[in-house]
Amino acid sequence: GENVEQHPSTLSVQEGDSAVIKCTYSDSASNYFPWYKQELGKRPQLIIDIRSNVGEKKDQRIAVTLNKTAKHFSLHITETQPEDSAVYFCAASKVGGNTGKLIFGQGTTLQVKP
Amino acid sequence: DARVTQTPRHKVTEMGQEVTMRCQPILGHNTVFWYRQTMMQGLELLAYFRNRAPLDDSGMPKDRFSAEMPDATLATLKIQPSEPRDSAVYFCASGLVQAEAFFGQGTRLTVV
Repeated sequence: GENVEQHPSTLSVQEGDSAVIKCTYSDSASNYFPWYKQELGKRPQLIIDIRSNVGEKKDQRIAVTLNKTAKHFSLHITETQPEDSAVYFCAASKVGGNTGKLIFGQGTTLQVKP
Repeated sequence: DARVTQTPRHKVTEMGQEVTMRCQPILGHNTVFWYRQTMMQGLELLAYFRNRAPLDDSGMPKDRFSAEMPDATLATLKIQPSEPRDSAVYFCASGLVQAEAFFGQGTRLTVV
């Protein structure tokens, strides 16, 4: 079945450094890849997403890259701040028709040290 | 500000009791997901509905769990009988065909 692997499970960086989280997916038909941020005790919230027709997308300090051939995608956070500390989840989905099932990775706990 | 609403927010129950969790998706959304979150399992997909029809519930223990959408404004997840290993946070999420999902605040279930 569909599977999404996420690495690393924990990541600790100094404030101002960059953080990179990587995910691989198993279903080559997947074409929608969102990233969610979950702060302690709160709901996951979408921070950025990318579709299979583009290779990179940026939003201020956050960027996502997609390599369809290798079936992997990555989240890049630059100039990290303490408020970036949270659990980050990647996900993959096939959009359209009767699909759209959203499968999540296992999550990465990011700690940004002041 | 449209939001997915889940009730109850917290539930403590004794082993063997029935538990019903409710979700009101965002008006106009045609896709509803139920996820279970534990420390070890991340966000585990239990069930998935499109236009109220169940498309996939392969992640759900069939002997004790059931999920339904009696109408477009209500999704339910039932556990009968509940067991201590069911203790987790259960999230409902809704979205459109583009597959972006908006999460509710979750129901924290404790089975003692």
